[in-house]
Amino acid sequence: AQSVTQLGSHVSVSEGALVLLRCNYSSSVPPYLFWYVQYPNQGLQLLLKYTTGATLVKGINGFEAEFKKSETSFHLTKPSAHMSDAAEYFCAVNRGAQKLVFGQGTRLTINP
Amino acid sequence: EAGVAQSPRYKIIEKRQSVAFWCNPISGHATLYWYQQILGQGPKLLIQFQNNGVVDDSQLPKDRFSAERLKGVDSTLKIQPAKLEDSAVYLCASSLDGQAQETQYFGPGTRLLVL
Repeated sequence: AQSVTQLGSHVSVSEGALVLLRCNYSSSVPPYLFWYVQYPNQGLQLLLKYTTGATLVKGINGFEAEFKKSETSFHLTKPSAHMSDAAEYFCAVNRGAQKLVFGQGTRLTINP
Repeated sequence: EAGVAQSPRYKIIEKRQSVAFWCNPISGHATLYWYQQILGQGPKLLIQFQNNGVVDDSQLPKDRFSAERLKGVDSTLKIQPAKLEDSAVYLCASSLDGQAQETQYFGPGTRLLVL
C-alpha cells in the first residue's frame, strides 16, 4: 500500500525566508504526486502536481516542488515566505487505481 | 466556474442522533468523493462515485454511514447513529473522470461536532 510521510507537523519561518516542507512517499512504482493547501475553515486547494515529464514542478503562489525518484521525495519550496502563506499543507500520492492518500499535514507559520 | 458546494457548513448533534450532509459537485464532473478529516490529520477517503455508481467504499463504516448520488450529480452522506468519534470535517470533492492524475476540487467542508 502506498503511504505518505510529512516530516514536521509544524514549521515556522520568518517572512522573506525560505520555505521547505518535506514529503516522502512509499511506492514500488512512481506515483502521481500532489501538494494541496488548506486555509482555516476552507477546503483544500491544489498548489501543484507531478504526473509525468519535468521533475521540477511550478505551482501557484510561487511554490515549486521537485520529484526525486531515488530519494522517493517530493519536497515543497518557496524562496521567500509571505504572511499569506500561513496555512496547512498536505502532500498526497495516487498510483493507478488506488485512491488519493494524504500525509498528516504540516502547519506553516510565518513570523513577521 | 462555480466550485464544489456543501451544506451545512457546521452541525452540532448529540451522540446516537442522525445527520446528513449535501454536496453539489462542479458541473460536468463525473467523479465525486467524500472524505473525513479528523482534527490534526489528512483527509481520508470514505467513498468514491463514478456518475451514480460506487467505485470504492472500502473505508466507509457501513453499519452507520451511507451515501448516495442521485442522477449522478448531487450527493448526500448520512450518519445514523452518530458516535463521538465521528466528530470531524466532512469534505466533498469532484474530478472530471476519476483518473489518478486528475486534480480533485474540494468544497469548503461540513464541520460536525458530536456531543
